[in-house]
Amino acid sequence: DSGVTQTPKHLITATGQRVTLRCSPRSGDLSVYWYQQSLDQGLQFLIQYYNGEERAKGNILERFSAQQFPDLHSELNLSSLELGDSALYFCASSTGTEWDNEQFFGPGTRLTVL
Amino acid sequence: QQQVKQSPQSLIVQKGGIPIINCAYENTAFDYFPWYQQFPGKGPALLIAIRPDVSEKKEGRFTISFNKSAKQFSLHIMDSQPGDSATYFCAASQYGQNFVFGPGTRLSVLP
Repeated sequence: DSGVTQTPKHLITATGQRVTLRCSPRSGDLSVYWYQQSLDQGLQFLIQYYNGEERAKGNILERFSAQQFPDLHSELNLSSLELGDSALYFCASSTGTEWDNEQFFGPGTRLTVL
Repeated sequence: QQQVKQSPQSLIVQKGGIPIINCAYENTAFDYFPWYQQFPGKGPALLIAIRPDVSEKKEGRFTISFNKSAKQFSLHIMDSQPGDSATYFCAASQYGQNFVFGPGTRLSVLP
């Protein structure tokens, strides 16, 4: 158990809908990362937050947005969903310091768009 | 320049063999190179990581070899076991940001 929790575990929705994925980082970690993993694909970095502020942005679509709250949990919002958005979405956390880059991944949320 | 290339795509070895997975990068600003292990239905877990100031790092049966001039690094698994069967990802980052992952190698260790 990495200490990172993600909810829900599974999500099935229809095209055009909006969903919210939730992540709670390990105790003490200030940084949260979001990744998308499509079937048999690698991990695509979406966005990183550090202590409530956006720190880095990767290949995140404009239909997607995220935020990190004062209690450090994070939410990833996916809107106007398309079939191609079906994937595993992982959250990872780290201390966020430059010298400690170790990321701990959550169990993921499997999103299915029908 | 942000891409990390990984090979092979899949690998089958016998128990006790030494699978080797290779990765290459272009961005010389990368300063952290981790390897992750992922089992089906689970999140990736950090296996071992290296920084560019060393050429080799060992942790148990896992070894990273790093060639800074060639911009390549590889993972060796000594005395591989069926329980090592998983997908392995290499990655690279700078200052703990913008992690770039390789496409993954699916390893099967036959009993």
